[in-house]
Amino acid sequence: AQSVTQLDSHVSVSEGTPVLLRCNYSSSYSPSLFWYVQHPNKGLQLLLKYTSAATLVKGINGFEAEFKKSETSFHLTKPSAHMSDAAEYFCVVSYSGGYNKLIFGAGTRLAVHP
Amino acid sequence: EAGVTQFPSHSVIEKGQTVTLRCDPISGHDNLYWYRRVMGKEIKFLLHFVKESKQDESGMPNNRFLAERTGGTYSTLKVQPAELEDSGVYFCASSQWNYGYTFGSGTRLTVV
Repeated sequence: AQSVTQLDSHVSVSEGTPVLLRCNYSSSYSPSLFWYVQHPNKGLQLLLKYTSAATLVKGINGFEAEFKKSETSFHLTKPSAHMSDAAEYFCVVSYSGGYNKLIFGAGTRLAVHP
Repeated sequence: EAGVTQFPSHSVIEKGQTVTLRCDPISGHDNLYWYRRVMGKEIKFLLHFVKESKQDESGMPNNRFLAERTGGTYSTLKVQPAELEDSGVYFCASSQWNYGYTFGSGTRLTVV
């Protein structure tokens, strides 16, 4: 069965410091992995996706994630946090046999302090 | 192009009443999905349309939920009768094959 675990429900960083949001997945198939972000009162926006090409994936707004098959991880990072990064982030997996049905992690709420 | 549009953005209804949520996908997108997030839980898949046909409705919680997509364009999700545990945010998304999802802003449903 496919599942996603986001290891931290809340992360708090200072502006200008690095961001690390952790995600582990479980998949019996070759997974596609995504990170989505939701700002308050907004829809879910795709940050980046991994679909079996390069293991280091660059996304929008300076975010990137590295697919590590041996660790079944897909952690999201950003070198320097900005106040506008404060939002909730979701790690998501889908697999080709599931008509692209998405399986969401529980979400990590990122707070950025001045 | 216009994004995925959901109506209403918020709905507050009493237990036992009926509510209908609407989703207008991106024009030309054959795939339409409904997801929901109840308080404190993960976002969960409800169902998937391909054009007007239900491809997968394995996530529908019970027979109080009815989804339709007449003509393969917009979709409605009706909850009848609504229960307290139905409160949450209902998301709609659409996609064309292999081009990824676009999500709407969601409908926040509160059942009191």
